[in-house]
Amino acid sequence: AQKITQTQPGMFVQEKEAVTLDCTYDTSDPSYGLFWYKQPSSGEMIFLIYQGSYDQQNATEGRYSLNFQKARKSANLVISASQLGDSAMYFCAMREGLGNYQLIWGAGTKLIIKP
Amino acid sequence: SQTIHQWPATLVQPVGSPLSLECTVEGTSNPNLYWYRQAAGRGLQLLFYSVGIGQISSEVPQNLSASRPQDRQFILSSKKLLLSDSGFYLCAWTPRLAGVRNEQFFGPGTRLTVL
Repeated sequence: AQKITQTQPGMFVQEKEAVTLDCTYDTSDPSYGLFWYKQPSSGEMIFLIYQGSYDQQNATEGRYSLNFQKARKSANLVISASQLGDSAMYFCAMREGLGNYQLIWGAGTKLIIKP
Repeated sequence: SQTIHQWPATLVQPVGSPLSLECTVEGTSNPNLYWYRQAAGRGLQLLFYSVGIGQISSEVPQNLSASRPQDRQFILSSKKLLLSDSGFYLCAWTPRLAGVRNEQFFGPGTRLTVL
């Protein structure tokens, strides 16, 4: 079974609109962390936001916020007031447990912002 | 501040030729280091990770090998490239203590084309 599922292969959004990128995860470990990365066409992977399984509040970083619904095992990324520069691939990833070195990655969502 | 370098940025190699990709990290000591491969339009596949000099863990059986001759140097190699080795290779690092957070920081990547 997939540990990280991103169901949207691609999305088109009008500039200045908010956009939600979906991510669901599967783990039985009570300690885990969820990450979102952005990959522009240049290829670099840029860390955006992190949510820990024990965090009481949804994470926010500037225009990025994470809609964390623990019972549903979802960690959707919300980008407010989208900009043309937000066009990129977006990846959701998870680290299970403490002392675990690996990240489990989703397949990604290609986001295109239309002017 | 920490920086991570990869070279070369792009590489075109014939089938059967050897490969050596290098990754170095500056500004930190004892990092955990990772090699990923990304096929076109796909997610990241972890190839190798290292928690110290000479310590390499392989995630998938393949035509590639990795070495860590120095604390902040990670090398990806092959004796004979296959067409299927084409892809985008990313190196990443995290601080040594792998808590649930410890986001991975990525290098700029190497785009390898095997002809």
